[in-house]
Amino acid sequence: NAGVTQTPKFQVLKTGQSMTLQCAQDMNHEYMSWYRQDPGMGLRLIHYSVGAGITDQGEVPNGYNVSRSTTEDFPLRLLSAAPSQTSVYFCASSSRGGGATEAFFGQGTRLTVV
Amino acid sequence: KNEVEQSPQNLTAQEGEFITINCSYSVGISALHWLQQHPGGGIVSLFMLSSGKKKHGRLIATINIQEKHSSLHITASHPRDSAVYICAVRTSGSRLTFGEGTQLTVNP
Repeated sequence: NAGVTQTPKFQVLKTGQSMTLQCAQDMNHEYMSWYRQDPGMGLRLIHYSVGAGITDQGEVPNGYNVSRSTTEDFPLRLLSAAPSQTSVYFCASSSRGGGATEAFFGQGTRLTVV
Repeated sequence: KNEVEQSPQNLTAQEGEFITINCSYSVGISALHWLQQHPGGGIVSLFMLSSGKKKHGRLIATINIQEKHSSLHITASHPRDSAVYICAVRTSGSRLTFGEGTQLTVNP
């Protein structure tokens, strides 16, 4: 049982380049989400999904796209990277609804945009 | 004002000390999570609470729903406990709102 698998672990991009951060979970969780973590701030929600085919914006969605074609996968796309997107990104999943749902996190992706 | 406030932001302790990290929140919640993040590492869930108290080894988490406050205690602290501890509350549906984290350093 791998839990939440997030790749890559590190990435350096040039301004304007695009890339996709991969996230996969094998727990059949309905809810998946992407967060960014910046110094002095709590994790902030970028996008989330409550099931295959359903996505919605979080707190800081600009510059990012997501899709959810399967229950297992929830990739995050940076269309045209900017230095302001330098951050550590975490993918998380949980079963949907209610309070008694534990959250599982990927190992994180440290992204630097130069 | 953030919906989730943690204190202290930074905490340095000597090995063996009893440690308390506090979390206050201002919104209605269905659950509260305590998470641990080691340097360069991922985030792992320590506790999920909706009422009362939970204990796991040397870690104890409590929550007071009426006062909108939770505490994470570490007894007999050890250098391997050095990490960032994050409080997160589950609000609408499955969404989590996070505190800024508490950086704990335990010196031998």
